[in-house]
Amino acid sequence: DGGITQSPKYLFRKEGQNVTLSCEQNLNHDAMYWYRQDPGQGLRLIYYSQIVNDFQKGDIAEGYSVSREKKESFPLTVTSAQKNPTAFYLCASAVKLQFVAQETQYFGPGTRLLVL
Amino acid sequence: AQSVTQPDIHITVSEGASLELRCNYSYGATPYLFWYVQSPGQGLQLLLKYFSGDTLVQGIKGFEAEFKRSQSSFNLRKPSVHWSDAAEYFCAVGARGLTGGGNKLTFGTGTQLKVEL
Repeated sequence: DGGITQSPKYLFRKEGQNVTLSCEQNLNHDAMYWYRQDPGQGLRLIYYSQIVNDFQKGDIAEGYSVSREKKESFPLTVTSAQKNPTAFYLCASAVKLQFVAQETQYFGPGTRLLVL
Repeated sequence: AQSVTQPDIHITVSEGASLELRCNYSYGATPYLFWYVQSPGQGLQLLLKYFSGDTLVQGIKGFEAEFKRSQSSFNLRKPSVHWSDAAEYFCAVGARGLTGGGNKLTFGTGTQLKVEL
């Protein structure tokens, strides 16, 4: 079955701790995205990657870091610099087609991060 | 920059009744438009999308949406709602502009649908 997996489903962070959220896809998609979802605010873009070994900051990148060493994987690290990390984190991916401007993003099941 | 407004935070309908969820967008060019649905604690599932062509698009689970350029709207409809449709619905507008050619998705704040039996 093709799809996007995120783990863990729930994650607890202690003060001053860095934590890493996993996102894996077997859809052979080139583009991958991380979003943060807070109640009543919709989704906001944290980081994105259009190709392996390259990634860009989104609208709310401060306190987060990512890597893209493999096409299938795009892990997100929530660092201790992120002062309000409690949120639902969603990973998405999209296929990139040459000469086609439009893309459709497909989402994983999400990880809920809570602060102890 | 694009923006999306979903004016209804909560909507309650009776099972079997018709449904319309409103979405208004702001974007200078032809937008790419999406509706996603989210059940509690789950990810977003794509219901339907509009890129070009026929302005009435059909999606999964019996949903449809109509793109009206003159009204900058992309409202979601379903003729007869089922109890399992209770969820949160997000409208999004996509546009090229990300570094590397990707599409930036801008989401509305969502409409929570409750279905009364």
